[in-house]
Amino acid sequence: KAGVTQTPRYLIKTRGQQVTLSCSPISGHRSVSWYQQTPGQGLQFLFEYFSETQRNKGNFPGRFSGRQFSNSRSEMNVSTLELGDSALYLCASSLEIGNGQGNSPLHFGNGTRLTVT
Amino acid sequence: KNEVEQSPQNLTAQEGEFITINCSYSVGISALHWLQQHPGGGIVSLFMLSSGKKKHGRLIATINIQEKHSSLHITASHPRDSAVYICAVRAGGGADGLTFGKGTHLIIQP
Repeated sequence: KAGVTQTPRYLIKTRGQQVTLSCSPISGHRSVSWYQQTPGQGLQFLFEYFSETQRNKGNFPGRFSGRQFSNSRSEMNVSTLELGDSALYLCASSLEIGNGQGNSPLHFGNGTRLTVT
Repeated sequence: KNEVEQSPQNLTAQEGEFITINCSYSVGISALHWLQQHPGGGIVSLFMLSSGKKKHGRLIATINIQEKHSSLHITASHPRDSAVYICAVRAGGGADGLTFGKGTHLIIQP
């Protein structure tokens, strides 16, 4: 079974540009969550989707947005990039049962390393 | 606001030693995750706990809900266990996403 796939692996953008990152979950997983990891702040929660609905959102500005498609694939978008957005962006998928209570083991992708210059 | 504290921040030990990493949190939770991150970024989920104790190979995770505390133990440590170990919790009710500790940098010397 294929793992969680994130594309692209590396990205270099300029301040003010926008970027879209993609995450394909493990087949059958309906929940996808996104995280930002920086040396200073560590791992921080961005958003969580379950069956195309945003279930939770972290404390990030509105420039950060995301969505989930009917096949459970997810994208996140960052508009008007700032230098501080340089980070490793990770997504994770999980197999939820029933209505999805948010408590299933997480399977992480290898991340997208975004550099903003 | 949920806060997650891990200790120690850094730990260097000799191969074969018994390792304990601690995690404390401030609010009631619905689940606690222990994660392992190797250099290069890949994160592996080791355990998800809501009560009691779990064991997988040489790894053991325990949680005390009343004391808001969890421990990750590694028995017969090996250099390949060298990694960053991260504790993450989801607040009770599932209304929030995960809150992460800063991680414990573990180095096992041969």
